[in-house]
Amino acid sequence: KQEVTQIPAALSVPEGENLVLNCSFTDSAIYNLQWFRQDPGKGLTSLLLIQSSQREQTSGRLNASLDKSSGRSTLYIAASQPGDSATYLCAVHSGGGADGLTFGKGTHLIIQP
Amino acid sequence: DTEVTQTPKHLVMGMTNKKSLKCEQHMGHRAMYWYKQKAKKPPELMFVYSYEKLSINESVPSRFSPECPNSSLLNLHLHALQPEDSALYLCASSQEGRGLGEQFFGPGTRLTVL
Repeated sequence: KQEVTQIPAALSVPEGENLVLNCSFTDSAIYNLQWFRQDPGKGLTSLLLIQSSQREQTSGRLNASLDKSSGRSTLYIAASQPGDSATYLCAVHSGGGADGLTFGKGTHLIIQP
Repeated sequence: DTEVTQTPKHLVMGMTNKKSLKCEQHMGHRAMYWYKQKAKKPPELMFVYSYEKLSINESVPSRFSPECPNSSLLNLHLHALQPEDSALYLCASSQEGRGLGEQFFGPGTRLTVL
């Protein structure tokens, strides 16, 4: 059974800092990995999708990398802003007939003004 | 348009009520999903429809009954729920199943069972 772990569970940094969120998964047989942000009480906003054949994806100040063989992904946020405060969730789409996403528990990020 | 809509936003129901949650997407996606998210927990998969056929039922209790009337609509029928079923119910869609597409989520329905 696929398990996804995110480190750290919570992070608080001053505005303007660059930061890295970590995600690891136990079964490397994945189709893709997706990063989401979730604001309190809201739905999930997709940030980046990395297919299993890709090494990284970039969108604006966000860069996500994938090392499938070691079961790891990182989300890099450059020049953080207070509006980046949210919970960031990593999710993997595994094979073996499981069509849904398996999520990590998330990193709760606070950017201090 | 990358929007998934869900109604209602909030729902309060008693344990003897019957209610339905609705989800709609107009992106031409052929896979739709229901997830359940308890407070301070990650979403957990409940059901997957691929090409309007139920392909995955993650051993969800029968008091939850999904329905996919067409490729744009997904319903979740609720009956005889328990207070522990109170949660945020999220709908998602992707271009197709089998992990080839990005999943887009709706804003969710906050369900409270009294």
